[in-house]
Amino acid sequence: EILLTQSPGTLSLSPGDRAALSCRASQSVSAKYLAWYQQKSGQVPRLLIYGTTTRASGIPDRFSGSGSGTDFTLTISRLEPEDFAVYFCQQYVNLPYTFGQGTKLEI
Amino acid sequence: QVQLQQWGAGLLRPSDTLSLTCVVSGGSFDDYFWSWIRQSPEKGLEWIGEISPRGVTNYRPSLSSRLTMTVDRSQNRIFLRMTSMTADDIGLYYCARGGFSAVGKHVLQSGRDSFDSWGQGSLVTVSS
Repeated sequence: EILLTQSPGTLSLSPGDRAALSCRASQSVSAKYLAWYQQKSGQVPRLLIYGTTTRASGIPDRFSGSGSGTDFTLTISRLEPEDFAVYFCQQYVNLPYTFGQGTKLEI
Repeated sequence: QVQLQQWGAGLLRPSDTLSLTCVVSGGSFDDYFWSWIRQSPEKGLEWIGEISPRGVTNYRPSLSSRLTMTVDRSQNRIFLRMTSMTADDIGLYYCARGGFSAVGKHVLQSGRDSFDSWGQGSLVTVSS
């Protein structure tokens, strides 16, 4: 199965900062098959981005995704207080679908 | 807007069988694959398996011998059955909507998509 490794484990930033979260795959993942989720404490994961770059419905444009091959990045251009949460990447090119272990974005 | 509501027994004893139900409303049930995903502090998010209303199933290989997923198209419901539960299976279990189940008349063999709608989660504990 494809292993996804996210870094850093925890990212400490302030509102207004720019955040860059990394997701590295153990083998090449077509850009069409990489997604990012946000999970706030006590809540269900929410789809942010799919196909590496496409924002899901209702997601603000401060969230953007990039990458190819084995290296992917979620960028939040200007952090808002509500953006502090845990972020997961997911690949769906191969079964079983797999998730990264998460990056906690904290103030 | 599609909504997923799930339920099932939350406290199990070792070797018990887990049974969960997820009902889908507000969307086209037949058009999608439906997955079960679990989450725990130790393992993070772990995809368990998926089923389409056309009866196609895909299971996580490490769990496949213990899993049965079924569907009731008349009631827009999907079911998860997992046998021989242990403490290693403790976590929050979600149902979620995946990719399309067919393209025209061509039945797809996997969802291969992100999960855009999730159930509220069911906490499963295993303890003697």
